[in-house]
Amino acid sequence: NAGVTQTPKFQVLKTGQSMTLQCAQDMNHEYMSWYRQDPGMGLRLIHYSVGAGITDQGEVPNGYNVSRSTTEDFPLRLLSAAPSQTSVYFCASGVAYEQYFGPGTRLTVT
Amino acid sequence: ILNVEQSPQSLHVQEGDSTNFTCSFPSSNFYALHWYRWETAKSPEALFVMTLNGDEKKKGRISATLNTKEGYSYLYIKGSQPEDSATYLCARFRGTSYGKLTFGQGTILTVHP
Repeated sequence: NAGVTQTPKFQVLKTGQSMTLQCAQDMNHEYMSWYRQDPGMGLRLIHYSVGAGITDQGEVPNGYNVSRSTTEDFPLRLLSAAPSQTSVYFCASGVAYEQYFGPGTRLTVT
Repeated sequence: ILNVEQSPQSLHVQEGDSTNFTCSFPSSNFYALHWYRWETAKSPEALFVMTLNGDEKKKGRISATLNTKEGYSYLYIKGSQPEDSATYLCARFRGTSYGKLTFGQGTILTVHP
C-alpha cells in the first residue's frame, strides 16, 4: 500500500492563480480530510469527507473547494490564490478513530 | 477551555532526562484524543488514540494518560534521546464525525546530546 499520497510536494503560485492539490489513498478509508499547518497554530481543518459524494466544511474553508467523486481521491482546489494561503497542506484519511497523514504540500503564494 | 491547548510550547532537555507535556481540552462531549509525533519535513505519525477516562497507553519509552472528566492528557517520555526531538501534537475528535480533528499548537521538544 502506498498509503496517503499528495502531489505536488512544492508549488509556487502568483496571487489570483488557481490550482488543485491532489490527495489519494489506497486503504479504502471512508474519511478524508484536508488540513493546513501554519507556524504556531498547529493543524487546522479545511474540509473533510465522510464518503464519496459527501463533504463538509472545517474551521477554515474560505477560498477552498473540495469534491469526493471516488473513495480514493479527495482534491483540494484553490480558486484564486492569496498570500494568506501560503502554508503546508496535509491530507489525511482514516477509519474510526485512526487517521493517517500524507507527506504534505508546501504552497507559496506570491 | 474552548480549544485544545498544549503546554509548554517548547522544551529543551538533555539526553537521558525524562519529560512530560500537557494537552488540555474541553471535557464535554468527549469522544477521543490523539497524540501525534511530527518530525520536520515529514507527516504526523500517530502515537496513541485514547478514548476512555483513565486510559494509559505505552509505546517503548513514551506513555500517555487521559483524564476526560477534567479535560487533560499527559505525554511522558522516559530517558529522552536525541531522536525523540520532534513536535508532539494532540488532537481531539470533534463530535461524532471521525474525520474531524481539532489540534493543539504542539510542543516542540529538543533533546540535546
